[in-house]
Parts: sequence; structure tokens; C-alpha cells
Amino acid sequence: DTGVSQDPRHKITKRGQNVTFRCDPISEHNRLYWYRQTLGQGPEFLTYFQNEAQLEKSRLLSDRFSAERPKGSFSTLEIQRTEQGDSAMYLCASSSTDRGPLGEKLFFGSGTQLSVL
Amino acid sequence: QKEVEQNSGPLSVPEGAIASLNCTYSDRVSQSFFWYRQYSGKSPELIMSIYSNGDKEDGRFTAQLNKASQYVSLLIRDSQPSDSATYLCAVNPGGYNKLIFGAGTRLAVHP
Repeated sequence: DTGVSQDPRHKITKRGQNVTFRCDPISEHNRLYWYRQTLGQGPEFLTYFQNEAQLEKSRLLSDRFSAERPKGSFSTLEIQRTEQGDSAMYLCASSSTDRGPLGEKLFFGSGTQLSVL
Repeated sequence: QKEVEQNSGPLSVPEGAIASLNCTYSDRVSQSFFWYRQYSGKSPELIMSIYSNGDKEDGRFTAQLNKASQYVSLLIRDSQPSDSATYLCAVNPGGYNKLIFGAGTRLAVHP
């Protein structure tokens, strides 16, 4: 296993369309995160899962966004009725709670670059 | 006030010099601190973590943490052009299982 993989790498869509991204974490990692990053900014937390349970969702995340991790392995992030403001890099990261409470070392995938026209 | 603040730069240093990157955070109970490097168009890559006050060295990188002053810094010795990237400071706020990132400092190392 070489790391976190995301698909697709790039997505161009028209405003109003729905899009879905997939993330496959490092196999032994039980935590999975979604972040969003726009140009000149750091990654912004969206949501995270421990196994299949979604434990936290950012208040910034509108109802158009939904994430799932049905079997505690891969995850999907869906954006409904996309808007131009959704254009960003969507990053997935994973970590392991086996590292104990002192840290959350996140390992990122290559991201999905979304462009909403 | 942003939770994690960094100077956006660019910080320009000559090859072989020491680059010093700084970060301040607002949550006093934060426990864990990380530095990520991000090349243009790529995803963040973890380069250093630090949990206790003081210095932590790893090769050409040294992370420094001062919890009383709520700042963390990264020193890069013998800077190389390949170090040119954006450096993101990330903090694990107390009681939360996530990282909060700063906006990053862009470092440019010129030959």
C-alpha cells in the first residue's frame, strides 16, 4: 500500500450538476478526513470518520455536501447542485489512532481539483 | 482572530542560508504541532511533528515549540532550491481529533 489515493484527479462540471469523489485511505488507518483547499489558503477541515462513523462535520459544510464511509474503508464525498464557489482542491487524509492521543499525523492523498463552470 | 496564523511571505533566502518560518496559534490547550510542505499543485507532505516545549531536530529541519508564547517555528538549515514550497503549520486543538492549518508561508530559495 503506497498511500492515500483519490479519484478523479480533476473534475470539471457545470454549475448545478452533482459530483462525487472517492478516497481510499492507507489500509491500516481507521480515521479518514476530508479537507478543502483554495488558492493561497491552508486546508480547511470538512469532516472526518472513525471507521464507518462520521464523528464531526464542519459548520461551514452546507447541506449540499454529504460524505460516507459505508464499510469503514473507502469514502465518498458528494456535492449536489454545485456552485462556482465550490471550486477548490478536495483533499482526503487518513490517520491511525494506534498512534495514541498525542497526535493526529495526517497523510494526504493527491487531491481532486474541482472546477465549476 | 484566526486559530493558526502564519506570515504568507514570500520568504526569500539565498541557497545555503537558514530559513526561519514562524506560526502562532490561539488555542492554549493545543497538544500537537506539525509542519507540512506543499509544492505547487501537490498535496501537503508531513515533514515534522513536535509535542513538547523545546527543539526537535531531523536532518536539516528543526522544529521549535514554545507553548507559553503559543508559537511554533521551523528552521531549515543549508536551504536548497528544492526547499522552495509553501510550508503549512498545523495544530491539533485540545479535545478535537483534527488538524487546523494556517494559510502557509511561501519559501523561495534562490541560487
